[in-house]
Amino acid sequence: EIVLTQSPGTLSLSPGERATLSCRASQSISSSYLAWYQQRPGQAPRFLIYGASSRATGIPDRFSGSGSGTDFTLTISRLEPEDFAVYYCQHYSSSQWTFGQGTKVEIK
Amino acid sequence: EVQLVESGGGLVQPGGSLRLSCAASGFTFSSYWMSWVRQAPGKGLEWVANIKHDGSEKYHVDSVKGRFTISRDNAKNSLYLQMNSLRAEDTAVYYCARWSSSGWYYWGQGTLVTVSS
Repeated sequence: EIVLTQSPGTLSLSPGERATLSCRASQSISSSYLAWYQQRPGQAPRFLIYGASSRATGIPDRFSGSGSGTDFTLTISRLEPEDFAVYYCQHYSSSQWTFGQGTKVEIK
Repeated sequence: EVQLVESGGGLVQPGGSLRLSCAASGFTFSSYWMSWVRQAPGKGLEWVANIKHDGSEKYHVDSVKGRFTISRDNAKNSLYLQMNSLRAEDTAVYYCARWSSSGWYYWGQGTLVTVSS
């Protein structure tokens, strides 16, 4: 079973700053099946990134994903007020779908 | 416009049963895998179950195997989750979502299931 570990647990930043979120897999995984989601309080998750680095339709270009093997990163280049939320990485393999525990990006 | 609307949540006693439904519209339901994903209060997301577009394959997370069953009715554009032998730890918001090989692009707003005496 693949475990996804996200760090840090909480990121305290100011609007306009850059956010770098990490997702580490317990073993090497295919980047084709690594996705990122954003969840604002009281809302359903929102699909951000698929295939580790491709933005979903309608996602602003300040969001970018990268990585391969066991280490993946979600970067938000300049935080907007609406970007303060919880972010989850997610992987699919062998009929198992797994989420990381989430990183909360909060206003400093 | 793709819409997924969950229903059937509520308060149930431990050991009880509940059936969640998800009404889909705005896309060809019979062409897509569908999923249930849950979120316990104040916790992260947890995948619960997936079902292939024709219902021929079903997968459940280990913690619900033997208790929960995902199903679908393509004629009614509906997804279901039959939940039996409910436990306190099953308390969560349950989301219906459309799965593609890329991820879950479309989500419902969720239905709350509370297991408590």
